[in-house]
Amino acid sequence: EPEVTQTPSHQVTQMGQEVILRCVPISNHLYFYWYRQILGQKVEFLVSFYNNEISEKSEIFDDQFSVERPDGSNFTLKIRSTKLEDSAMYFCASRPGQGNYGYTFGSGTRLTVV
Amino acid sequence: RKEVEQDPGPFNVPEGATVAFNCTYSNSASQSFFWYRQDCRKEPKLLMSVYSSGNEDGRFTAQLNRASQYISLLIRDSKLSDSATYLCAVLTGNQFYFGTGTSLTVIP
Repeated sequence: EPEVTQTPSHQVTQMGQEVILRCVPISNHLYFYWYRQILGQKVEFLVSFYNNEISEKSEIFDDQFSVERPDGSNFTLKIRSTKLEDSAMYFCASRPGQGNYGYTFGSGTRLTVV
Repeated sequence: RKEVEQDPGPFNVPEGATVAFNCTYSNSASQSFFWYRQDCRKEPKLLMSVYSSGNEDGRFTAQLNRASQYISLLIRDSKLSDSATYLCAVLTGNQFYFGTGTSLTVIP
């Protein structure tokens, strides 16, 4: 079964440092997403990406965040200057297109900011 | 008002019991509905889509009530392996909104 792959599985970084979280969505999917889940809380939408541009973003996705799809396979989330409150599980997801398709999630990157 | 509201539980039920979860959504334009299962510290995994006519997959039955804007998940004959958090997800436009999840523990 096709998978969404995320690396690394766990990242520890110092406050103020930049991190890049990487995702390889399913190859024939067209819509890509980043979500985060703070421990014990709900899955929160960050950003959606379609046709090489951001289609929607949430209030969480401020100027410290950016996304890229540099080479047609990878889909990255960059946090420029991490804060303690950025500590969370970050999930990448993709879906094939419009219509009644659910997301396929990657296994997540656990980001710990110290 | 939250897009999706869900009773967080926890639900603790004995093996073999039937348990039901409900979820309400606020946007009447929402077009698709899903149930996800999330194990501790893992990613959500798609359990089933929810169709207007209701649908069943083995021990799991999902229902949608558009008039009242809620979806439900019924699990019959609970197994220990059903212990997890169940998230409802509502697709509005191209964005999914998730409920907080309902925690289920099936007890031997």
